[in-house]
Amino acid sequence: AQSVAQPEDQVNVAEGNPLTVKCTYSVSGNPYLFWYVQYPNRGLQFLLKYITGDNLVKGSYGFEAEFNKSQTSFHLKKPSALVSDSALYFCAVPTGGGNKLTFGTGTQLKVEL
Amino acid sequence: GAGVSQSPSNKVTEKGKDVELRCDPISGHTALYWYRQSLGQGLEFLIYFQGNSAPDKSGLPSDRFSAERTGGSVSTLTIQRTQQEDSAVYLCASSLDRELAGGQETQYFGPGTRLLVL
Repeated sequence: AQSVAQPEDQVNVAEGNPLTVKCTYSVSGNPYLFWYVQYPNRGLQFLLKYITGDNLVKGSYGFEAEFNKSQTSFHLKKPSALVSDSALYFCAVPTGGGNKLTFGTGTQLKVEL
Repeated sequence: GAGVSQSPSNKVTEKGKDVELRCDPISGHTALYWYRQSLGQGLEFLIYFQGNSAPDKSGLPSDRFSAERTGGSVSTLTIQRTQQEDSAVYLCASSLDRELAGGQETQYFGPGTRLLVL
């Protein structure tokens, strides 16, 4: 079955430092992978997705993600974190023939001054 | 343009009552999805619509849950005889046509309806 895993429940980083939120996948064939962010009491906002092509995908709000086939990872990164980046981050993979998204358990990012 | 909208934003109900949750997808999006987000279960898929038909209802947790979509647009999720375990945030999403896309299309989410069953 297609799935993603987020090994860290929480990540803490100082403002201005680079941040990484980890995601690994278990997918047969060529994977499609997504990252979403959820701010408190809000819905999910799309950040970026990997379909094919360049392994480095650029998305909204300065975020990027690196697709690594050998390590089956799709880690979310940002060169310089902002306090306003503090939120809950989910990676996701289409399943059920592409009819739905299966999400990881989420990683709470906390950016401190 | 306008995003996905959901109403109500919050709903408090008593155990045993029926509730209806509404979703207005992005104009032109033929695919629509319902998900549930709860503390214990994370984000769970409930149902997928392609136009007015629902080819995948596999995530509906019981026969108390039903959903319909009319005119290829608005969708309503109905929970009958609500139970306390139904308390969760119900999220709706929409996307462009998913047929043959294999999951490439981006799903855009609404703000959710926070349901509390007392």
